[in-house]
Amino acid sequence: AQSVTQPDIHITVSEGASLELRCNYSYGATPYLFWYVQSPGQGLQLLLKYFSGDTLVQGIKGFEAEFKRSQSSFNLRKPSVHWSDAAEYFCAVGAFSGGYNKLIFGAGTRLAVHP
Amino acid sequence: NAGVTQTPKFRILKIGQSMTLQCTQDMNHNYMYWYRQDPGMGLKLIYYSVGAGITDKGEVPNGYNVSRSTTEDFPLRLELAAPSQTSVYFCASSSIADEANEQFFGPGTRLTVL
Repeated sequence: AQSVTQPDIHITVSEGASLELRCNYSYGATPYLFWYVQSPGQGLQLLLKYFSGDTLVQGIKGFEAEFKRSQSSFNLRKPSVHWSDAAEYFCAVGAFSGGYNKLIFGAGTRLAVHP
Repeated sequence: NAGVTQTPKFRILKIGQSMTLQCTQDMNHNYMYWYRQDPGMGLKLIYYSVGAGITDKGEVPNGYNVSRSTTEDFPLRLELAAPSQTSVYFCASSSIADEANEQFFGPGTRLTVL
């Protein structure tokens, strides 16, 4: 069965430090992969997505993610975190199942940023 | 272009009451979805629709109903509200033309059942 694992429930970093959020997926075919961000009290905003081509994907707000098929991973990175990046981050895999394309979400990683 | 809009933003219900959560999208998307988000659980799909007049169950449909009479609207109905339905509800939509099925989310409705 398809699944997404985000091993870190909470992460705290200092402003200006680098960031890596982990995501591992289980899917039998080439996946479509997404990272969404949810600021407090807000809906989900797409940061970036991968569905083919270059395995290093650039997104909004200075984020990037790298698809590694051999490790079934799609980790999110940012070289220098800003206080406004404090939010919850969700990794998702797109899967065709039951006759439709669906998104399977990980449980999320909550990021706190210290000044 | 407002994207996906949801009303209300917040609601408190008593056990056994019913209500409808509204969702509208103005992107002419074929697909629409309802999710619930519980702490530490990510998002779980309640119902989805692939077009007007067509709906189907997701992972957690019990206690909910939907309808899709137009492309734009996809209301979610709670009958006989229970404390277990306390959650944040998100509506989303996507285009049939998008192979990757990127979904666009509304701002959510926070529901408390007491």
